[in-house]
Amino acid sequence: GNSVTQMEGPVTLSEEAFLTINCTYTATGYPSLFWYVQYPGEGLQLLLKATKADDKGSNKGFEATYRKETTSFHLEKGSVQVSDSAVYFCALSDPVEDSNYQLIWGAGTKLIIKP
Amino acid sequence: AAGVIQSPRHLIKEKRETATLKCYPIPRHDTVYWYQQGPGQDPQFLISFYEKMQSDKGSIPDRFSAQQFSDYHSELNMSSLELGDSALYFCASSLAESTDTQYFGPGTRLTVL
Repeated sequence: GNSVTQMEGPVTLSEEAFLTINCTYTATGYPSLFWYVQYPGEGLQLLLKATKADDKGSNKGFEATYRKETTSFHLEKGSVQVSDSAVYFCALSDPVEDSNYQLIWGAGTKLIIKP
Repeated sequence: AAGVIQSPRHLIKEKRETATLKCYPIPRHDTVYWYQQGPGQDPQFLISFYEKMQSDKGSIPDRFSAQQFSDYHSELNMSSLELGDSALYFCASSLAESTDTQYFGPGTRLTVL
């Protein structure tokens, strides 16, 4: 079946540091890939997505590239801010395997940015 | 832009009571999903509806039921509540033409005492 694996957290960085949160997936079809962010006490927000190989999703300075050859969708940001502190979830939807685009989630990575 | 609306935002119930959570999808979205997120956990898919019909079922207990109404809003009914039902319950909606992208509501935090 389909699955998503994220690097374990928490990830603690200083402000303005470079961020990478690793995400790899297994899928039988051609999934769409997503990063969602959950700020403390809030709901899940779609951060970015990519629907096919080599697509790059980007938003708010975050980027992730759909790499089919390495089955990865790593999240990166060049210079993080304290306000980026949140839990980040990698997810996929694969209509071949999962009817109705049910999202398959990674475990989430807690990011802590220190001033 | 309009977002997914969930009500109530917080709910406190006693064991064995019932609860009803409501979800109002983004206008024109015809597909609704329900997720349960325990503390420190990733969201677990419960159930989804498309055009008022159940379209997919996940790890939803038999004590729970849900439906989607003619105006596309959805309700999650939970009976015989247990302590372990305490969680955040998220609703998400999507449009049939782009059902791979789900937009989430702020969630309902249910506490069972």
